Amino acid sequence: GQQVMQIPQYQHVQEGEDFTTYCNSSTTLSNIQWYKQRPGGHPVFLIQLVKSGEVKKQKRLTFQFGEAKKNSSLHITATQTTDVGTYFCAVYDYKLSFGAGTTVTVRA
Amino acid sequence: DAMVIQNPRYQVTQFGKPVTLSCSQTLNHNVMYWYQQKSSQAPKLLFHYYDKDFNNEADTPDNFQSRRPNTSFCFLDIRSPGLGDAAMYLCATNDLSHQPQHFGDGTRLSIL
Repeated sequence: GQQVMQIPQYQHVQEGEDFTTYCNSSTTLSNIQWYKQRPGGHPVFLIQLVKSGEVKKQKRLTFQFGEAKKNSSLHITATQTTDVGTYFCAVYDYKLSFGAGTTVTVRA
Repeated sequence: DAMVIQNPRYQVTQFGKPVTLSCSQTLNHNVMYWYQQKSSQAPKLLFHYYDKDFNNEADTPDNFQSRRPNTSFCFLDIRSPGLGDAAMYLCATNDLSHQPQHFGDGTRLSIL
């Protein structure tokens, strides 16, 4: 499967601040999916991007797929304690391959 | 409503004692997956079924086997668990391989 690199591995955020996690590949991706896993929970699908330059929003979350379809980002504005968890990007190339994940903690 | 159900949530077994984890789904999806997830790591695909067609990952140890007797159920058998097999085991389903996957709550396996 295709490899995706995800950074940063850890993100410690002050409540109310914004942050971004990035997912990068050396090859062109046909699609990218984002999942969130709460502590002690299971991955939950957030969104799928398939088009070059695509931008999708879910309330305070903004997902972007790069023009070259080699990178993607997840930007969260005004972080809340409910945003705590690990965010994974994943790409399907005959199987779903996950990035390493960004684990987010929030200080109130 | 739970759509992908894994039992049990927690499983303790002895070193070398066979153990079976189960997964059932009410979504009627044709693809079912088993992942292993260790602490602070991403899920690692072990194998998946497309209907009854079994697909094993190249680096999945022979110690891990799977059965899918029907659309709704899939089992993970670990023949001789070692200490390194302690992990969370996640089952997931989807209706087409590239579609979003629905995960169960997982079974956390401990080895004594």
